[in-house]
Amino acid sequence: GQQLNQSPQSMFIQEGEDVSMNCTSSSIFNTWLWYKQDPGEGPVLLIALYKAGELTSNGRLTAQFGITRKDSFLNISASIPSDVGIYFCAGQTPRTYTGNQFYFGTGTSLTVIP
Amino acid sequence: DTAVSQTPKYLVTQMGNDKSIKCEQNLGHDTMYWYKQDSKKFLKIMFSYNNKELIINETVPNRFSPKSPDKAHLNLHINSLELGDSAVYFCASSLDDRGKGYTFGSGTRLTVV
Repeated sequence: GQQLNQSPQSMFIQEGEDVSMNCTSSSIFNTWLWYKQDPGEGPVLLIALYKAGELTSNGRLTAQFGITRKDSFLNISASIPSDVGIYFCAGQTPRTYTGNQFYFGTGTSLTVIP
Repeated sequence: DTAVSQTPKYLVTQMGNDKSIKCEQNLGHDTMYWYKQDSKKFLKIMFSYNNKELIINETVPNRFSPKSPDKAHLNLHINSLELGDSAVYFCASSLDDRGKGYTFGSGTRLTVV
């Protein structure tokens, strides 16, 4: 199946810094999602993107749907300790089959140092 | 109220045993899923199921089987457990429309000894 590559794999940053991460695929996607997973919990949806070039914000988080439709980006501004966790991208191909299957990225582990 | 709830949260069992993990959603979603998260945190879909079809990831051993008594429940049965089955298993649900994100449960950590 599809595998999305996320980078960086892990990040250690100081509180207050901005964070950028991205997700790339060899296939074209028509939907990109970004999730955050806290330790011991399931992933929680942060942002959904549905159109190439789309830029969407959720508080300090901003995500973009890449123009090529093969990538997506997530930025976190002014990081705080509670931003710690694993961030996953997820993408859906424009195949004409039934179902709502998403492929998940390899994850970016974020550590914020107070 | 918890949207997607899984039980148990932790499950420790011996090789060769048969076990089940239960999942319930109260969101009115029509599709439910099981994902496996390995030690490297990679999320891999195992099944997706609605009242129309069951889609199985071809890499899932047939020792794993989903059972759905109704639209709000999708349980996971595992027969003859193996050491490599140790992982965190997540249940999720969504509306049956393409592009709709999933709501995940909090996971079941399965340890096979």
